[in-house]
Amino acid sequence: QSALTQPPSASGSPGQSVTISCTGTSSDVGGYNYVSWYQQHPGRAPKLMIYHVSERPSGVPDRFSGSKSGNTASLTVSGLQAEDEADYYCTSYAGSTNVYVFGGGTRVTVL
Amino acid sequence: QLQLQESGPGLVKPSETLSLTCTVSGGSISHSRDYWGWIRQPPEKGLEWIGNIYYSGSSYYNATLKSRVTISIDTSKNQFSLKVNSVTAADTAVYYCVRPRDYAFDDWGQGTMVTVSS
Repeated sequence: QSALTQPPSASGSPGQSVTISCTGTSSDVGGYNYVSWYQQHPGRAPKLMIYHVSERPSGVPDRFSGSKSGNTASLTVSGLQAEDEADYYCTSYAGSTNVYVFGGGTRVTVL
Repeated sequence: QLQLQESGPGLVKPSETLSLTCTVSGGSISHSRDYWGWIRQPPEKGLEWIGNIYYSGSSYYNATLKSRVTISIDTSKNQFSLKVNSVTAADTAVYYCVRPRDYAFDDWGQGTMVTVSS
């Protein structure tokens, strides 16, 4: 059982938006602004897409955005493209004892 | 451009020790004063953080694995390593070495598959 809860799947048509939730507790997501999101294509290593809840690393399209409210963080992919079809994972810093916890992952399908 | 590369046996017998090394190129493992870490992914499952080590040697582990895991660093070789003791089939996974930065996992190795089987 993952520490953070994500929906197993999400989908949208090209050009539409999809939002993925990531629910934790006040000890992780709610307690720190250190939520990050990763995109993973089959057979590939994950790629950092969002850090510090809503910051994008250089090179990540601005179609990807992050937010947080309370114990739930969200990743929104706007203007869906075929290459966005992948698994997405959230993670949060959880303090000096638990350190980092992951979500179980969400498979995004572009219809 | 920083690159990380995992290496080690792809097959380990149950109850034995899994040992992997990550070689860092394109930058010094000690001069950058960074953390370095390991993440694993069982087949068809999600990601699991294993632990991190600071360039000075301080280490932090996933509480569920802490009793069996050791991460060490060798600045002279620009490498850091992972050992997992008393492995079972549940330790079968792709193991990634990573560079955590600003509380996110910035750089990843390509991953190496380790199977625990007799």
